[in-house]
Amino acid sequence: KAGVTQTPRYLIKTRGQQVTLSCSPISGHRSVSWYQQTPGQGLQFLFEYFSETQRNKGNFPGRFSGRQFSNSRSEMNVSTLELGDSALYLCASSLYGGRTDTQYFGPGTRLTVL
Amino acid sequence: AQRVTQPEKLLSVFKGAPVELKCNYSYSGSPELFWYVQYSRQRLQLLLRHISRESIKGFTADLNKGETSFHLKKPFAQEEDSAMYYCAPYSGGGADGLTFGKGTHLIIQP
Repeated sequence: KAGVTQTPRYLIKTRGQQVTLSCSPISGHRSVSWYQQTPGQGLQFLFEYFSETQRNKGNFPGRFSGRQFSNSRSEMNVSTLELGDSALYLCASSLYGGRTDTQYFGPGTRLTVL
Repeated sequence: AQRVTQPEKLLSVFKGAPVELKCNYSYSGSPELFWYVQYSRQRLQLLLRHISRESIKGFTADLNKGETSFHLKKPFAQEEDSAMYYCAPYSGGGADGLTFGKGTHLIIQP
């Protein structure tokens, strides 16, 4: 089975721009979660999508949004980029996103905001 | 607020020595508990989870509900155990999702 894929792997943007990141889950997985990883804050939960609906949301500003398509692929959008948004963005997929589900992580997208 | 603490940023032990990576959590209810690991240049991956009560690569983790701890242990460390280890309680929803500790960088010295 192919693993979780994320595109692009690296991205450089300037302040004020917006960016869209993409995540393709493992085939058959319906839950996709997004995380932001920074040296200072570690791994922080952004949101989770299941069956095209946002099911859970972390404590991030409204500039961070996402969506999920009928094939379970997910996109994450960050508008009006700030320097502090520079981070590794990870997505993870699981079958149903339940408490006991294993989450499988992608390689991440490294976003640099200049 | 839900919180997970891994007190050691860095832990260095010699090969063959016992290893214990500490994890304490502050949660309402009964979260499910996971340990994730990231080896150098590899993806974050599940190491083990409490509900399975299994031993993976010689590691075990004991849940102590009284102390709200879920420490990861291995009796004899091997060089290939060098990695970042993250404790991750999961409450099952809300603003927390899968909450990760800051991680412990484990270095096994030869």
